[in-house]
Amino acid sequence: DAKTTQPPSMDCAEGRAANLPCNHSTISGNEYVYWYRQIHSQGPQYIIHGLKNNETNEMASLIITEDRKSSTLILPHATLRDTAVYYCILRSAGNNRKLIWGLGTSLAVNP
Amino acid sequence: DGGITQSPKYLFRKEGQNVTLSCEQNLNHDAMYWYRQDPGQGLRLIYYSQIVNDFQKGDIAEGYSVSREKKESFPLTVTSAQKNPTAFYLCASSMGGLRPQHFGDGTRLSIL
Repeated sequence: DAKTTQPPSMDCAEGRAANLPCNHSTISGNEYVYWYRQIHSQGPQYIIHGLKNNETNEMASLIITEDRKSSTLILPHATLRDTAVYYCILRSAGNNRKLIWGLGTSLAVNP
Repeated sequence: DGGITQSPKYLFRKEGQNVTLSCEQNLNHDAMYWYRQDPGQGLRLIYYSQIVNDFQKGDIAEGYSVSREKKESFPLTVTSAQKNPTAFYLCASSMGGLRPQHFGDGTRLSIL
């Protein structure tokens, strides 16, 4: 599976949109982009995933560039409870087990 | 509510002892996983199981053992052969395929 690159940390004001970037320039055609987040001392929580189309659910939106080499997770109205480490992960359709976890982005939402 | 339960939340082990971490799920998921997380690091896969009575080694299986006798349960044993067992251990489950993995809240293991 290809690797991802994320900034180590970001800040966001409460109530504003948080835009978390992820670079995956070596992504292959059958790899999906997954986003999880981990609040301190808890298990990771699934947020969203996509292949090439933009996706939206009740938690966030995922924007994937046309060349699929990068993506952005958008939290439209960040709250203090969104403070967490956000992981961008690639996963291929043919590989059930393999999630390669990087260091993620530590997002701090400030009042 | 459906979910994944890991117990205990904190565990202490003396050197030379084996210790077993519990993971139970009531989500009717076929696949289950064990990960290890060290401070400031991403998760690393220890073992996974796609079906009852079957499991495979992950990237860091040495010093660990598992069993999958029931669909709901996937206990992890940290043996004395694991030289650096202090870590945060996370269990996950999924329906398999591309469906997302759901995680428990982890067990923090420390050596006395």
